Amino acid sequence: TQLLEQSPQFLSIQEGENLTVYCNSSSVFSSLQWYRQEPGEGPVLLVTVVTGGEVKKLKRLTFQFGDARKDSSLHITAAQPGDTGLYLCAGAKTSYDKVIFGPGTSLSVIP
Amino acid sequence: GAVVSQHPSWVICKSGTSVKIECRSLDFQATTMFWYRQFPKQSLMLMATSNEGSKATYEQGVEKDKFLINHASLTLSTLTVTSAHPEDSSFYICSLPGLAASDTQYFGPGTRLTVL
Repeated sequence: TQLLEQSPQFLSIQEGENLTVYCNSSSVFSSLQWYRQEPGEGPVLLVTVVTGGEVKKLKRLTFQFGDARKDSSLHITAAQPGDTGLYLCAGAKTSYDKVIFGPGTSLSVIP
Repeated sequence: GAVVSQHPSWVICKSGTSVKIECRSLDFQATTMFWYRQFPKQSLMLMATSNEGSKATYEQGVEKDKFLINHASLTLSTLTVTSAHPEDSSFYICSLPGLAASDTQYFGPGTRLTVL
């Protein structure tokens, strides 16, 4: 059973379009992280959200943590080819638990 | 954040041979390191937690005799894939934890293993 679900699994869009990626769970997490990974490289942290209802912005990326701390979303505005990659959400239920990863969303932005 | 290196970045080996992958923390000491495996188009799967000075903790379904982990020092952990087979071909990534388990992890660049 996947503790963290992500949707969609694959996404291919045109440059300039907007998109949202979702990370959902039936469990409460103390924090969630979003990573982006390019082929052949390790994941790179984009953001950590820790407070229910929290919204963080990173240039064209907007991250939201659900009020109940069970879900999170990543919204990209005006996607660019450089946004192409695998987006992973990850989290731990408590500060002492291991971090688990969602299955990932593979994004392809076509010029 | 922490800087983590892995060596080699890629390796091709024949079936039946053993391959050692190194993970180094370049700027701070780590009593714990994590080893992940990632198949193409899939997420990271935790294989084991490497503990300095003690045995590694393996996740369910991971063969400890096949994937030998040695946390030789506070800056080095090694993963040895013994008697490698084509199904072991994967992307192996190590990471260092942040101050708390829920903090970010600092990932190495990964090692691509191809077993012929």
